[in-house]
Amino acid sequence: EAGVAQSPRYKIIEKRQSVAFWCNPISGHATLYWYQQILGQGPKLLIQFQNNGVVDDSQLPKDRFSAERLKGVDSTLKIQPAKLEDSAVYLCASSSTFAIQGLPAFFGQGTRLTVV
Amino acid sequence: QQPVQSPQAVILREGEDAVINCSSSKALYSVHWYRQKHGEAPVFLMILLKGGEQKGHEKISASFNEKKQQSSLYLTASQLSYSGTYFCGTEADSSGTYKYIFGTGTRLKVLA
Repeated sequence: EAGVAQSPRYKIIEKRQSVAFWCNPISGHATLYWYQQILGQGPKLLIQFQNNGVVDDSQLPKDRFSAERLKGVDSTLKIQPAKLEDSAVYLCASSSTFAIQGLPAFFGQGTRLTVV
Repeated sequence: QQPVQSPQAVILREGEDAVINCSSSKALYSVHWYRQKHGEAPVFLMILLKGGEQKGHEKISASFNEKKQQSSLYLTASQLSYSGTYFCGTEADSSGTYKYIFGTGTRLKVLA
């Protein structure tokens, strides 16, 4: 089966600019996650969707980050305006149902963002 | 809130064994183990569900002690391909919402 697709793979922007990342999960996966991984650290959950509804966005910096999942399939994550500390790899993952059932999350290759 | 892994880093010779621990302050419903190589996405290794089960896959196995809120990953007769950073991913109940949170990570380097 096709994996989780993300684009772009790399992005370099200046601080205060805007950027958007796209994710297409594995077909049929209801749960979609966006993680931020700063170099040398574990992935940090930013937002979790169940179909097109938000399950958890408690760690999403809502003053600058936004995410949506239209029609419960693809998702976009936006940063506006970007700060230097936003430099990280942004990982999208999906699983076939709600995490309570203990099913694994499968990750995309990630988007490496550098803010200069 | 983030599960703590130990050790933070370990260096092995090929054929040696290692144990990586994951400890949470919250009651866990399941533990997932992932391996991430430099510049790549985390790759799923295995899941352990409530019930203290132990799982194995070739020379990699894991255990889950739900009472202690801990899980351990066992790597036996390590191979060069085992090098990478290992993360535990934990599902825990937080005010009625099940959150999926990664641990602090353990860097493993296997030398020839």
